[in-house]
Amino acid sequence: DTAVSQTPKYLVTQMGNDKSIKCEQNLGHDTMYWYKQDSKKFLKIMFSYNNKELIINETVPNRFSPKSPDKAHLNLHINSLELGDSAVYFCASSQMTSTDTQYFGPGTRLTVL
Amino acid sequence: DQQVKQNSPSLSVQEGRISILNCDYTNSMFDYFLWYKKYPAEGPTFLISISSIKDKNEDGRFTVFLNKSAKHLSLHIVPSQPGDSAVYFCAASLNAGNMLTFGGGTRLMVKP
Repeated sequence: DTAVSQTPKYLVTQMGNDKSIKCEQNLGHDTMYWYKQDSKKFLKIMFSYNNKELIINETVPNRFSPKSPDKAHLNLHINSLELGDSAVYFCASSQMTSTDTQYFGPGTRLTVL
Repeated sequence: DQQVKQNSPSLSVQEGRISILNCDYTNSMFDYFLWYKKYPAEGPTFLISISSIKDKNEDGRFTVFLNKSAKHLSLHIVPSQPGDSAVYFCAASLNAGNMLTFGGGTRLMVKP
């Protein structure tokens, strides 16, 4: 009964390919997020979705597109993958208040060759 | 321009002693601060938080101190245990949007 799950855990692909990472939460939260942890280990927000609407979109390339079929899912689609996209991507969820903690998934390590 | 900074990339402490992890921030609009703990190959897990209206919050062995005038917060772990060995991330959020801005992390090693 994992609270926030991501698939796949590891993803190795070639430059130029299109790939997706899936995220699901069973906590009943109304807000979900995608974070990127780069090679320097910095965790940076990419997107935030509240009730299926995008509410934050940091300056990420438009090759990255979040898709939320329902409140419990937020998938990340990446087109035309580049070497610099190699990172660990974390999904998280919370209730939409400033004082509620975010619960993170285990991460997806993406390697672009 | 990192708005949240953890200047010590690593810290080594003997079991039973106090671990003090530090974090500085630059944005005075941050009103909520959190510490997350991360083990290898796992996602960050929430540890403890503090609102900007407080200067201290305690939960068992973990205490977070906030000095708003210095824009500084610290996490104290007493006593430290080998199982506390992990990377600790400081994070901050603004009132609206709940977006978390993370520091770069500090790797804590507690030696038996």
